Amino acid sequence: SQKIEQNSEALNIQEGKTATLTCNYTNYSPAYLQWYRQDPGRGPVFLLLIRENEKEKRKERLKVTFDTTLKQSLFHITASQPADSATYLCALAVAGGTSYGKLTFGQGTILTVHP
Amino acid sequence: KAGVTQTPRYLIKTRGQQVTLSCSPISGHRSVSWYQQTPGQGLQFLFEYFSETQRNKGNFPGRFSGRQFSNSRSEMNVSTLELGDSALYLCASSSSLGVAQSEQFFGPGTRLTVL
Repeated sequence: SQKIEQNSEALNIQEGKTATLTCNYTNYSPAYLQWYRQDPGRGPVFLLLIRENEKEKRKERLKVTFDTTLKQSLFHITASQPADSATYLCALAVAGGTSYGKLTFGQGTILTVHP
Repeated sequence: KAGVTQTPRYLIKTRGQQVTLSCSPISGHRSVSWYQQTPGQGLQFLFEYFSETQRNKGNFPGRFSGRQFSNSRSEMNVSTLELGDSALYLCASSSSLGVAQSEQFFGPGTRLTVL
């Protein structure tokens, strides 16, 4: 069956370090992969989108990699700050069918950055 | 530009009742999608509307329905409520069709509690 797994439910790091979050998937051939941030009591906020033919995408302190061979995406936050503390969600979309109309989300990783 | 707005923010209903939730997208956005978020199942795609037509649907029973108006505002209806329908219902808008390949702007959600 299709499955999306985000490496751990919670990740704790020290301020200034690089946070690395993992999104693994099985029985998918995603055409797109997105990362979102969600704060308690709020809707998710879009961070980055990467396509299957892209290896890496960057935006300020954020970097996403997409390895379709390993069936894995890594999400990095460099020089992390306490304000980066939130739940991070990965979401996949497969190609074909009725176009790219469905996103399947992972369960999320709760990141806590300690001062 | 104002963000995505959802009304009401909180709702309490009893089993068997029906409920209608409303979503106003960002001005100019024609795509509206709906999601259900629960602690157990995470964030799950319900459906996407674009130009008043449902373009894609997730794996939810027919009790879940929606519609979109000519001004792109959308409503979601759940009939014959069950306890398991208690969740945060999120609406997201986008400037183009296809939730997978475009940035989704989420609203704050409607917290539905079914007693």
